[in-house]
Amino acid sequence: IAGITQAPTSQILAAGRRMTLRCTQDMRHNAMYWYRQDLGLGLRLIHYSNTAGTTGKGEVPDGYSVSRANTDDFPLTLASAVPSQTSVYFCASSLLQAGGPREQFFGPGTRLTVL
Amino acid sequence: GQNIDQPTEMTATEGAIVQINCTYQTSGFNGLFWYQQHAGEAPTFLSYNVLDGLEEKGRFSSFLSRSKGYSYLLLKELQMKDSASYLCAVTDSNYQLIWGAGTKLIIKP
Repeated sequence: IAGITQAPTSQILAAGRRMTLRCTQDMRHNAMYWYRQDLGLGLRLIHYSNTAGTTGKGEVPDGYSVSRANTDDFPLTLASAVPSQTSVYFCASSLLQAGGPREQFFGPGTRLTVL
Repeated sequence: GQNIDQPTEMTATEGAIVQINCTYQTSGFNGLFWYQQHAGEAPTFLSYNVLDGLEEKGRFSSFLSRSKGYSYLLLKELQMKDSASYLCAVTDSNYQLIWGAGTKLIIKP
């Protein structure tokens, strides 16, 4: 692996189903993020994790949950999908350090359609 | 509230220069990023400004004025491959990125 990978690439899901989007990075970054991107809107932060074992809520956390059991993996779960969760989901990671923010590196994205 | 404003779309000619503006109002400021995003792909990092002034990197330059809450991305010698969306993002007091909706840049021959 080089960088960040996401799976699946795309998915069509029936409303009410549970779905987990996977994200793995091999850059040993301490911080990881989940965004959704919708047409006409900027990237919106769903959840983040500044270090393994901790997570936080972003701008649009409702209907989503995350876990950070180790440094590399940061899965996003939709407990009961609804059509408004149709979007492109990006996972990102960065190196948080005392000197200030560093750039975020993005995975290729997961295109999710909820019917 | 927190707000990032960018033009929705711009058109420019191959070989020319284009300036994409970004204005922001955020709770705190810890730097401003510019990213490029080609259609159907992930955003990729272009530049970072935390102090006032111009940062130059090849054909791309980025400017910041913290007192005016303003930045711009300057693209010179435009190439067809520069057709993409350009995203402005500000790091707030919690070190989270607040993203603009992006500017779609169309390059014409």
